Amino acid sequence: EIVLTQSPSTLSLSPGERATLSCRASQSVSTYLAWYQQRPGQSPRLLIYDASNRATGVPARFSGSGSGTDFTLTISSLEPEDFAIYFCHQRTNWPPSFTFGPGTTVDI
Amino acid sequence: QVQLVQSGAEVRKPGASVKLSCRTSGYPFTTTYLLWVRQAPGQGLEWMGIIHPGDGTATYAQKFLGRVTLTRDTSTTTAYMELNSLTSEDTALYYCARANPETNCEKSSCALAYWGQGTLVTVSS
Repeated sequence: EIVLTQSPSTLSLSPGERATLSCRASQSVSTYLAWYQQRPGQSPRLLIYDASNRATGVPARFSGSGSGTDFTLTISSLEPEDFAIYFCHQRTNWPPSFTFGPGTTVDI
Repeated sequence: QVQLVQSGAEVRKPGASVKLSCRTSGYPFTTTYLLWVRQAPGQGLEWMGIIHPGDGTATYAQKFLGRVTLTRDTSTTTAYMELNSLTSEDTALYYCARANPETNCEKSSCALAYWGQGTLVTVSS
């Protein structure tokens, strides 16, 4: 099973600052990686799919990059509503297998 | 608009089973994969299985093999997840989620673009 590791586990920043979140896979997942945001008490929300594509309605301040085993989610300038938990997610093989990273909390 | 509405909270005793529903609307039900994901209190996300509503083919995470069954009813555009032999470790929020319709799930990350509100399952004696 592919293991996803996210770092840091917590990122303490202020509004307006840049956030850089990392997701590393134990083996190559090509670009089959997605990023989600989860606010307290809410269901996850898709931000980025296939490593670098913004989902419909996601603000341009969110961007994704990477391939293979190393991926990055960047929030260019934090808004108050961006303080949340961010998970990465990969899919391999078909029939598929999916795993999620443990999450990075972005807080003030 | 696309909606996934899940059934209400459940309480079960250890050893029991639970069957959750996920009623969908706002899109062609049979065209896009549905996944089930759970989240234990204060924990991360865990994939349980995936089903194609068109033909009912399901694939399960190794951890849940033999204990989980995914089904669907195309007449009511509803998906179901049944989990057997419950233990306290199954206490969690269970989500259904629809794969991103903008990509072919089999040739992409199969990202989850739409999520239900979650169903809390509590297992306690």
